[in-house]
Amino acid sequence: NAGVTQTPKFQVLKTGQSMTLQCAQDMNHNSMYWYRQDPGMGLRLIYYSASEGTTDKGEVPNGYNVSRLNKREFSLRLESAAPSQTSVYFCASSGPSGSGVDTQYFGPGTRLTVL
Amino acid sequence: AQRVTQPEKLLSVFKGAPVELKCNYSYSGSPELFWYVQYSRQRLQLLLRHISRESIKGFTADLNKGETSFHLKKPFAQEEDSAMYYCALRGGGYNKLIFGAGTRLAVHP
Repeated sequence: NAGVTQTPKFQVLKTGQSMTLQCAQDMNHNSMYWYRQDPGMGLRLIYYSASEGTTDKGEVPNGYNVSRLNKREFSLRLESAAPSQTSVYFCASSGPSGSGVDTQYFGPGTRLTVL
Repeated sequence: AQRVTQPEKLLSVFKGAPVELKCNYSYSGSPELFWYVQYSRQRLQLLLRHISRESIKGFTADLNKGETSFHLKKPFAQEEDSAMYYCALRGGGYNKLIFGAGTRLAVHP
């Protein structure tokens, strides 16, 4: 099993450009998450999807959109990138909350720089 | 407000020395606490969670509700313990984790 995969690993954008970060998991998890990590700060939740067909805002959703394409895939889109969105982005997946299999498994991260 | 504080950015010890990575939290209900670890060139992974009350790789952590702390301890540090350690809290929402800023543990030979 590959677990949680993310593409791309690195990306440089100019201010105003758009891009989509891709995430896929092969663990048959219901829930998926997007976090960002900035220097000196912990991971902060951007959006999450409790199950296929649902998405909800996390702590820092402004400037982002998400799509839960199917059970395996959860993408994060930046419509108009800003330098403040320079960060490392992590995708995670888990079983349902409180299910006993709700440990979050993380992808390797995408390092995004917005100039 | 829900918050996790890890007061030390870097903890540097020698091999064989005891280690304590501090974590304090702010939460009004009954939280669930976790420690995640990220070794060099590896992805973030769960180390332990307080409800399991288990020891993983020699590490233990006890939830102290009176002091609102969940410190991670190991009696004898090993070089392979060198990594970034993140304390996280889950409470008040669907499996949403709130992370501390992390502590880098460096174990020297």
